Amino acid sequence: KAGVTQTPRYLIKTRGQQVTLSCSPISGHRSVSWYQQTPGQGLQFLFEYFSETQRNKGNFPGRFSGRQFSNSRSEMNVSTLELGDSALYLCASSLRGLGAEAFFGQGTRLTVV
Amino acid sequence: SQQGEEDPQALSIQEGENATMNCSYKTSINNLQWYRQNSGRGLVHLILIRSNEREKHSGRLRVTLDTSKKSSSLLITASRAADTASYFCATDGSRMDSSYKLIFGSGTRLLVRP
Repeated sequence: KAGVTQTPRYLIKTRGQQVTLSCSPISGHRSVSWYQQTPGQGLQFLFEYFSETQRNKGNFPGRFSGRQFSNSRSEMNVSTLELGDSALYLCASSLRGLGAEAFFGQGTRLTVV
Repeated sequence: SQQGEEDPQALSIQEGENATMNCSYKTSINNLQWYRQNSGRGLVHLILIRSNEREKHSGRLRVTLDTSKKSSSLLITASRAADTASYFCATDGSRMDSSYKLIFGSGTRLLVRP
């Protein structure tokens, strides 16, 4: 079956702009999580959605938001982009969340200039 | 900040040798997962070991878990150049709301020389 699909793969934005990233989980998976990866901070949890509800949120400013649709596809949005938001954003898909395996997409490489 | 630490941070071995990476974590867990990442691309799921398991095998991979020491190790046997990548451990602590949050280690960069 198809894996986790993230779009776009690469993105260049200017400071102050906003961006929306998309994630399509594995069919049947209801939990979608987002992570930010930077050289300095490593992999950090952003938020998790399950059946359209945000169940957990990491320690990120309110400029980072997300949502999940009824088909489990998820989007994350970053408003008022800062240079420090440049990172690889990874989406993880899990059948039910806690206790299950998490499968990741290829990520979206965001560069803020 | 990350919960886990991985050791060593970098490892360089010859093709055919075994590679061992260690991971330590801080809180109680449901399970621990290992991932591979090639050159800043997505994470590839390698193996999941549950908190009540002590050892698990998958092909050339062997994972051990010691919950009393809050540590895990990943052994790759008969390494190949294609195993060159960064390896991460990730834990999901038990929580009342069943939400899913993985805490990653800092990763081990493995270089397998042909």
